[in-house]
Amino acid sequence: EIVLTQSPPTLSLSPGERATLSCRASQSVGQYLAWYQQKPGQAPRLLTYDASNRATGIPARFSGSGSGTDFTLTISSLEPEDFALYYCQQRGNWPLFTFGPGTKVDMK
Amino acid sequence: EVQLVQSGGGLVQPGGSLRLSCAGSGFTFSTYWMSWVRQAPGKGLEWVANIKPDGGEKYYVDSVKGRFTISRDNAKNSVFLQMSSLSVDDTAVYFCSRVQDSYFFDFWGQGTLVTVSS
Repeated sequence: EIVLTQSPPTLSLSPGERATLSCRASQSVGQYLAWYQQKPGQAPRLLTYDASNRATGIPARFSGSGSGTDFTLTISSLEPEDFALYYCQQRGNWPLFTFGPGTKVDMK
Repeated sequence: EVQLVQSGGGLVQPGGSLRLSCAGSGFTFSTYWMSWVRQAPGKGLEWVANIKPDGGEKYYVDSVKGRFTISRDNAKNSVFLQMSSLSVDDTAVYFCSRVQDSYFFDFWGQGTLVTVSS
């Protein structure tokens, strides 16, 4: 079973700052990694897939990178609406899926 | 516009059963894998089950095998999750989702709360 680890658990930043979120897989998942954003009381929203492809309607300030076991989600300049939970997810165990434990981006 | 609208859920006693439904629109439902994902209160996301477009293959997380059954009715553009032998550990918000490119979830239902309590 492939395990995903996200760091840090919490990221405290101010609007306008750059956020760098990490997701590490216990073994290679190739490019098959997605990132989601979730706000309280809402369903998750797909941000990026295949490591670096932005989903439809996602602002350019969100970018994904990485391959193999190490992946990064970068928010270039935090907007007030970006303070939320972020999860990574992989398909290494297709057709079984796993998510990382999440990183909370909160306002300093 | 792609939409997934969920129904069902509520309060059930330990050992009880419940059925969740999810109706899709705005896309060719019969060509997509569909999934259920849950989130216990204050916890992260946990994938629960998948079903192939024709319903011929189904997969489950180990913790629900033998207790939960995923099914679909392509004529009604709907996917279901039949849950039985429920325990307090199954208390969560359950989301249905569409699977894209064999692994990521591009559209989600609004979520429905299942509370297992005596």
